[in-house]
Amino acid sequence: GAVVSQHPSRVICKSGTSVKIECRSLDFQATTMFWYRQFPKQSLMLMATSNEGSKATYEQGVEKDKFLINHASLTLSTLTVTSAHPEDSSFYICSPRRVDTQYFGPGTRLTVL
Amino acid sequence: GQNIDQPTEMTATEGAIVQINCTYQTSGFNGLFWYQQHAGEAPTFLSYNVLDGLEEKGRFSSFLSRSKGYSYLLLKELQMKDSASYLCAVSPRTGGGNKLTFGTGTQLKVEL
Repeated sequence: GAVVSQHPSRVICKSGTSVKIECRSLDFQATTMFWYRQFPKQSLMLMATSNEGSKATYEQGVEKDKFLINHASLTLSTLTVTSAHPEDSSFYICSPRRVDTQYFGPGTRLTVL
Repeated sequence: GQNIDQPTEMTATEGAIVQINCTYQTSGFNGLFWYQQHAGEAPTFLSYNVLDGLEEKGRFSSFLSRSKGYSYLLLKELQMKDSASYLCAVSPRTGGGNKLTFGTGTQLKVEL
């Protein structure tokens, strides 16, 4: 299967700070990147879709100014959680699309104190 | 809208066979995926069905009936490491960049 890396794997931050999560597709080019969030014992909820070189499309209820997505190249996308609050604590997963298959990064566990 | 249903939990015995069902109602259909997710980890791809029928891949098989909006994942010769959540996801329409809609997942527990 395809190799996708995500960094950091875990992060703990104070309320009000910003956290950047990087996602890289190591052995293929991803024209489309999906970002998901998963709360404990719940399914994956799509946050936004981004295509390389263009602005991300956010799902209803997801604040674009709070969750900044940059998809600068075909192998790198970043998600920045700005002014994080405890309710943003979750498991964030990137998902690059390759032809008809979506692969997933290993996820980032964010804990906001 | 999109609606995907799976059982919440299942329990099976090591060495046995288990079938996890998924029913869906979506606006458009361009394929159904099955993923395995261990606790605290990201999902890993298991299978993709776009045509009716059974796709076999080692111990895992996946079946699709588009007319019935129904799929199942069949796991044979169960092993303890198969204890995980199994996610059914539907791709709603053709074209690049289309979004997957996930079911809530079926938590499978394999016992001795």
